[in-house]
Amino acid sequence: DAKTTQPPSMDCAEGRAANLPCNHSTISGNEYVYWYRQIHSQGPQYIIHGLKNNETNEMASLIITEDRKSSTLILPHATLRDTAVYYCIVRPVISNFGNEKLTFGTGTRLTIIP
Amino acid sequence: KAGVTQTPRYLIKTRGQQVTLSCSPISGHRSVSWYQQTPGQGLQFLFEYFSETQRNKGNFPGRFSGRQFSNSRSEMNVSTLELGDSALYLCASSSRGRGEEAFFGQGTRLTVV
Repeated sequence: DAKTTQPPSMDCAEGRAANLPCNHSTISGNEYVYWYRQIHSQGPQYIIHGLKNNETNEMASLIITEDRKSSTLILPHATLRDTAVYYCIVRPVISNFGNEKLTFGTGTRLTIIP
Repeated sequence: KAGVTQTPRYLIKTRGQQVTLSCSPISGHRSVSWYQQTPGQGLQFLFEYFSETQRNKGNFPGRFSGRQFSNSRSEMNVSTLELGDSALYLCASSSRGRGEEAFFGQGTRLTVV
């Protein structure tokens, strides 16, 4: 699986957009970019994933660069409840016998400041 | 629909003992994966089960084992517990092969004393 690099920590003011970067320069053509977050002492929570197009759902937007070597997760209006560790993960496109393993890095600890 | 359920939530065991943790996946999900989370090593993949067969395994000693039942429920077992096995053990379920996200349970916090 491709390796990802994320800043260890970031702060964001409540109500502002939080932009979390991820570098995945060794990503291959059949790998998706996934984002999960983990609020203290809870299980990781899925946020969003994408292959090469930008994606948006009710939680966040995912912007993937054209060369797919980096991406940015955007939380449009951060709240205190968004304080968590955010993990960027790349994994192969799933086939019926594909690899379900998620390789978590150290993630970014995002703190939302009141 | 109900989420992933892990039992028990908390457990205290003594070195040398063994422990069994349980995971009930989301209804219809046939893939169950297990992860260990410690402050030093972070989140690490243990193994994945699908249709009662182990499909993938992480880099853990043979003291860590698991199984999956015909109803997709899974158990993991750790024998001869060591202090370093103290961790949050997380279970995730997914609809394998459909590119869907994995859903995690709240975890079982194991403390070995």
